[in-house]
Amino acid sequence: AQSVTQLDSHVSVSEGTPVLLRCNYSSSYSPSLFWYVQHPNKGLQLLLKYTSAATLVKGINGFEAEFKKSETSFHLTKPSAHMSDAAEYFCVVSTGFQKLVFGTGTRLLVSP
Amino acid sequence: DAGVIQSPRHEVTEMGQEVTLRCKPISGHNSLFWYRQTMMRGLELLIYFNNNVPIDDSGMPEDRFSAKMPNASFSTLKIQPSEPRDSAVYFCASMPGLVGNNEQFFGPGTRLTVL
Repeated sequence: AQSVTQLDSHVSVSEGTPVLLRCNYSSSYSPSLFWYVQHPNKGLQLLLKYTSAATLVKGINGFEAEFKKSETSFHLTKPSAHMSDAAEYFCVVSTGFQKLVFGTGTRLLVSP
Repeated sequence: DAGVIQSPRHEVTEMGQEVTLRCKPISGHNSLFWYRQTMMRGLELLIYFNNNVPIDDSGMPEDRFSAKMPNASFSTLKIQPSEPRDSAVYFCASMPGLVGNNEQFFGPGTRLTVL
């Protein structure tokens, strides 16, 4: 069965420093992987997705993620955090039958 | 495009009352999903439809929950009778029916509080 594990429930960074949110996946075949962001009291917005094309995926707002099959990882990064990046981030895997399996989320805190 | 529309945005009701949540998917999308989000359990898929037909309702917690999709532009999630443990944010999402495109587009959610 497909699953994802988000390794940190909370990540704190200072504005202007790099962001790293970690995600490992488990899948019996080549997966489709996503990162979604949820700002307080808002719905979920797609940041980026990997669907077996380029292993380095660029998303919105300067975020990117690298698919590493050997490490079964799909970590999300951003070179420089902005205050507006403070939100909850979900790593997601598609089961291949349209269903998505969500990770438990990582709350990103950005301090001035 | 207006995106996925959900109503109401907030609902406060008393235990035992019937609650109906509504969703309008993005026009042209063939699949619709209902999720529930709580602090304890995170995001859970309740049920999803393809071309208005329920495909998988294994996530529906119990018989008090029911969902319908009478046409391609409207779906409801009903809880009858409601209980305090149903308090959560309920999200609707839709997905295009294009091969290889499995991105889901989420609505803003309905925050349900059952007293």
